[in-house]
Amino acid sequence: AQTVTQSQPEMSVQEAETVTLSCTYDTSENNYYLFWYKQPPSRQMILVIRQEAYKQQNATENRFSVNFQKAAKSFSLKISDSQLGDTAMYFCAFMKNTGTASKLTFGTGTRLQVTL
Amino acid sequence: EPEVTQTPSHQVTQMGQEVILRCVPISNHLYFYWYRQILGQKVEFLVSFYNNEISEKSEIFDDQFSVERPDGSNFTLKIRSTKLEDSAMYFCASKIEGTGRGYTFGSGTRLTVV
Repeated sequence: AQTVTQSQPEMSVQEAETVTLSCTYDTSENNYYLFWYKQPPSRQMILVIRQEAYKQQNATENRFSVNFQKAAKSFSLKISDSQLGDTAMYFCAFMKNTGTASKLTFGTGTRLQVTL
Repeated sequence: EPEVTQTPSHQVTQMGQEVILRCVPISNHLYFYWYRQILGQKVEFLVSFYNNEISEKSEIFDDQFSVERPDGSNFTLKIRSTKLEDSAMYFCASKIEGTGRGYTFGSGTRLTVV
């Protein structure tokens, strides 16, 4: 079974600064996907970024980028130029690439507060 | 952009009552899911559904739970006899294919059992 660990329950960052959220995972699979989801106070689950494990290049989406270290089973999210709208709960998630109805396994989340 | 639609947004029910949570996945998606999130906790997988049958279910998804895709558009989660501990946010999700692409969540139904 897969496990996802987010060791930072809460983080705070000032507007315009950079923050990094940590995530580690444990799996015996070699082919999988990793995700970061954002959950604002509305509680909607919004996909932030996705990484395919077979790709060495780290994914980026505008101000969001990841540091994917496959050997270390680490998948951190960097948010640059933080904005007040980035305030949310952030969940790291793992999915096996089985080509079928694979489920997501989530970490416990990191609550990010962006302050003025 | 296509959305996964869930209704109602909030439902209050008495313990022991049956509830049906409704979802309309994105029309060309093939895989359907239910997840739940107890307040302040992580999101947990309940069940996946493909080709009109359950693909996988978690330990949480016991005999009190069932899913249906009755008419090719709706995807429902039924809880037969609700318990206080079923109070949670329930998310429907769908994806187009068996890869990591296009996994889209609905906005959730908050279920409160009193």
